[in-house]
Amino acid sequence: GAVVSQHPSRVICKSGTSVKIECRSLDFQATTMFWYRQFPKQSLMLMATSNEGSKATYEQGVEKDKFLINHASLTLSTLTVTSAHPEDSSFYICSARDRARLNSPLHFGNGTRLTVT
Amino acid sequence: GQQLNQSPQSMFIQEGEDVSMNCTSSSIFNTWLWYKQDPGEGPVLLIALYKAGELTSNGRLTAQFGTTRKDSFLNISASIPSDVGIYFCAGQRSDDMRFGAGTRLTVKP
Repeated sequence: GAVVSQHPSRVICKSGTSVKIECRSLDFQATTMFWYRQFPKQSLMLMATSNEGSKATYEQGVEKDKFLINHASLTLSTLTVTSAHPEDSSFYICSARDRARLNSPLHFGNGTRLTVT
Repeated sequence: GQQLNQSPQSMFIQEGEDVSMNCTSSSIFNTWLWYKQDPGEGPVLLIALYKAGELTSNGRLTAQFGTTRKDSFLNISASIPSDVGIYFCAGQRSDDMRFGAGTRLTVKP
């Protein structure tokens, strides 16, 4: 089945530094990938839609300069949390869909637990 | 974005019992999906439904795409301890996907 690989699975960083999270589709190509944030015991909150070869689309309330998204190829999207602060600590998850299959479901990465100290 | 209405929020059941959860929406979706999320991991697709009225099984799991295209349910039969986790429904149309808030399932041995 479709596999989405997310790296790293856990990262601890100091306040003020930046962290990059990668999302790769391993056995399919994805024109669009999605980034979510999940707080404890809550559902997935869509942050932004990553579009290959063009700018990402951000959900209302998500700062695009804070959460930089790059989708440079059909198999890779990256999310960079810039100048991280403790309130950015969260579980970040990406998802992607096989562009070759109409109405194919989203497949999710295993998430990245970010802790900002 | 607007979420789907998923219920119940949580369930505490005995091993061997059947479980039922559902999702409703005010909007029509072309696809309904059910995912399970274990702690510290990403959601894993359980069942995908593509046609109104469709009933699909995956082992002990059965899900249906409501005839109005605005709802779906998931049943788990003869629950086992490894069924523990959070179950999310998702409605999809084009690139727009909405999630339910999740049903947290606890199974007591």
